[in-house]
Amino acid sequence: EPEVTQTPSHQVTQMGQEVILRCVPISNHLYFYWYRQILGQKVEFLVSFYNNEISEKSEIFDDQFSVERPDGSNFTLKIRSTKLEDSAMYFCASSTRGIQPQHFGDGTRLSIL
Amino acid sequence: QQQVKQSPQSLIVQKGGISIINCAYENTAFDYFPWYQQFPGKGPALLIAIRPDVSEKKEGRFTISFNKSAKQFSLHIMDSQPGDSATYFCAASMGITGGGNKLTFGTGTQLKVEL
Repeated sequence: EPEVTQTPSHQVTQMGQEVILRCVPISNHLYFYWYRQILGQKVEFLVSFYNNEISEKSEIFDDQFSVERPDGSNFTLKIRSTKLEDSAMYFCASSTRGIQPQHFGDGTRLSIL
Repeated sequence: QQQVKQSPQSLIVQKGGISIINCAYENTAFDYFPWYQQFPGKGPALLIAIRPDVSEKKEGRFTISFNKSAKQFSLHIMDSQPGDSATYFCAASMGITGGGNKLTFGTGTQLKVEL
């Protein structure tokens, strides 16, 4: 069964450094999403992306965050200058259409020191 | 108004019993209600989903009951098994044209099924 793949599984970064989280969505999917989950808390929406542009973003997704689809398969989340509070699991998801269902990857655990 | 409230926070059920998790929402524009199952170290996996034009949907041992007037929906796991032990999240989204539909998640329920 096709799946969403995320790399790395764990990223440790010094505060203030840039980090790029990578995702390979399911190949025929057109809609892409990033969510985050702080330890022990609920999953929170960050951003949705369709047709090479951001469709919607949350308050969390400030100027420090950006997303890109650099080629036909990858979808990336960049955090320009990481903060301690960026420590979380980051999940990528994709769907065939804007109408559900969304399929999630296993996440990248981001630890900011 | 965008929140989805979920209860209980944790649940212990005996093997073979029925697990029931409840969610409530305020935004009447929500029109899609999925349940996700999450095991430790894994991403949320879609379990079952419902749209508000039906009051119940069943897939195997999993049933969603939906009460549109009360703005509530629940997940029932029949014949609960130890392998069902996981965190369950309800979610909601609304249909929009163009870009993707963000999911608003509940706070999660940690289910433990004991032998």
